Order: sequence, then C-alpha cells, then structure tokens
Amino acid sequence: DTAVSQTPKYLVTQMGNDKSIKCEQNLGHDTMYWYKQDSKKFLKIMFSYNNKELIINETVPNRFSPKSPDKAHLNLHINSLELGDSAVYFCASSQERSTVFGQYFGPGTRLTVT
Amino acid sequence: AQTVTQSQPEMSVQEAETVTLSCTYDTSESNYYLFWYKQPPSRQMILVIRQEAYKQQNATENRFSVNFQKAAKSFSLKISDSQLGDTAMYFCAFMKRSFDGQNFVFGPGTRLSVLP
Repeated sequence: DTAVSQTPKYLVTQMGNDKSIKCEQNLGHDTMYWYKQDSKKFLKIMFSYNNKELIINETVPNRFSPKSPDKAHLNLHINSLELGDSAVYFCASSQERSTVFGQYFGPGTRLTVT
Repeated sequence: AQTVTQSQPEMSVQEAETVTLSCTYDTSESNYYLFWYKQPPSRQMILVIRQEAYKQQNATENRFSVNFQKAAKSFSLKISDSQLGDTAMYFCAFMKRSFDGQNFVFGPGTRLSVLP
C-alpha cells in the first residue's frame, strides 16, 4: 500500500493558469508538508501543517496555498502560474510525536510551466 | 536559522568499495535529529538513516553508517560495499525537535555514482 501518494505525477500547463496537486497519506500521521525541488535538486520546505496550525515559509509567494480537507490530505493550489514555478513538488508526512522517524515522502509531481 | 552544508556536489565510487559523504550543519539547538535521504533516478525520497543528537553512539543500518561529531557539527555517511543501486542523490537533513515551519532543513545534496 502506498504510504504517501500524489496526483498527478506530471503536470504541464501554461503561464497564468491555476492548478492543484493532491496529496494523501494513509499512515495516520498528523503533520503534512509541501516541498519544492528546483532544477539544481535543492529541496525547500514550503508549508507544514497539522491539525493545530498552518506554518508558511515566508519566502513562498501567496499564489501558493495549501488546503487540507481532512487529516489525511494536504492539497497544493497554485494560482497564476509562472515559468519559475516549474519544479518537482513533494508532499511528505510525519507523526509529530514521533518525528525521530523522519518524514515519509510522496513520489513527487513534476510541474512544467510553458 | 539552521543551515546544512554538503561540500561534495558529486562523487563516484567503484562497486564494492567504501565511500563517505560529508555533511556539516549549523545550529544553536541542543535537541535535534539528523537524517540522510536518498533520491534515486526514480525521484522518490527514501530515508536511509537517522541519528538523535542526544545519542553518542553512531547509527548503523546494514551497509550504511554515520560518523556523528556533535561538537564539530558534522554528520557524515559511510556506504560500505557500494552497489550499483546506491547510485542516487543523497541529502543530509536537520530537524529541530520542536515543531515549526522550518522543521526540516535539507542540504544541497551530493550526487553519488557507483561505477561497475
């Protein structure tokens, strides 16, 4: 069974469009994250969210917004896409109280903005 | 703020040999965790090994072991008996024990190639 899943795996879209990436985890974790990996492979945290609060990396443009319909899902909405948004986006989850085990990552979504 | 540095952008090793990947970090925290993640060409991020800062004993997972030097803020990964399947990007990561938006900080990665 997949622990953390993301859809779609690939997303190609034009500048100015609005798109969403879905993330689901079946591990019963209470904390979920979104990361952006750029072309140089650098991983940068964008958001972390648990049932208490959403914490946003202040460098993330407000065109990006996470939406959590329930504990098992954290979707990423992106408005007015720009060329620089092209990257691989990873969703991850962890159990806050057991963060010693690290985070479990989804397979990633490659977003290409043309 | 925490920072993680991996000074070796690329490395290569012959199959069956041993290789060490370096990682240094900067923090004022006393309680934290360190991790090595592997990202093969499939792009999946896979946890390789973890280390609790309060433990002096170095973590070991099969062919993977770490050399954790807390005073020097160094956390290197040793891969013994390298296999072709070890070819991947390796990321060192730091995590504070307290929860906040900067919980995880990743290094820039080291691309490891295992040569036949």
